[in-house]
Amino acid sequence: AQTVTQSQPEMSVQEAETVTLSCTYDTSESDYYLFWYKQPPSRQMILVIRQEAYKQQNATENRFSVNFQKAAKSFSLKISDSQLGDAAMYFCAYRELTGNQFYFGTGTSLTVIP
Amino acid sequence: DSGVTQTPKHLITATGQRVTLRCSPRSGDLSVYWYQQSLDQGLQFLIQYYNGEERAKGNILERFSAQQFPDLHSELNLSSLELGDSALYFCASSVSPGNEQFFGPGTRLTVL
Repeated sequence: AQTVTQSQPEMSVQEAETVTLSCTYDTSESDYYLFWYKQPPSRQMILVIRQEAYKQQNATENRFSVNFQKAAKSFSLKISDSQLGDAAMYFCAYRELTGNQFYFGTGTSLTVIP
Repeated sequence: DSGVTQTPKHLITATGQRVTLRCSPRSGDLSVYWYQQSLDQGLQFLIQYYNGEERAKGNILERFSAQQFPDLHSELNLSSLELGDSALYFCASSVSPGNEQFFGPGTRLTVL
């Protein structure tokens, strides 16, 4: 089974600063999808960003961007101009191109300091 | 609002009991996934259905079962409940298996 590893259980960032959350994964597939989900205190799971492995260009959504390093099997999330509302648990997830199952990491709890 | 609804929002019950959690996917979504999230833990995939048929099974206990009905809503049945079953149970839906998932608000189950 594929594994997704988030090695930072907790991170903190000053408001308006930039923070990077790490994610690595293990797979023998060449094509797959990667996702970052945000879970605020409300516990709702919200899709932040998605990356297709066959695309070399890193995905970007407003203040959120990823650094996808396919050879290193690394998929980090960069949050720029951090806002108080960004405080949440962030989960990295992997899915095979034709698979039915998502594999989630254990999450990184992000604190934003005013 | 993701468009996925889950009921009930909270459920408190006793050990040994049986409960049913309900999920209605987004309009047009055929695939439903169930996840368990214990306190301060990541999401554990339980089971997935597509258009009424089971498609994938994860770490689902034998005491748990699920189904997807013709109207595409899904139910997760948890029986012989134990204290360790206390968790947040999420339902997610997608257009087809593997597409990005949209999560419901979750059902918080407390077993006393």
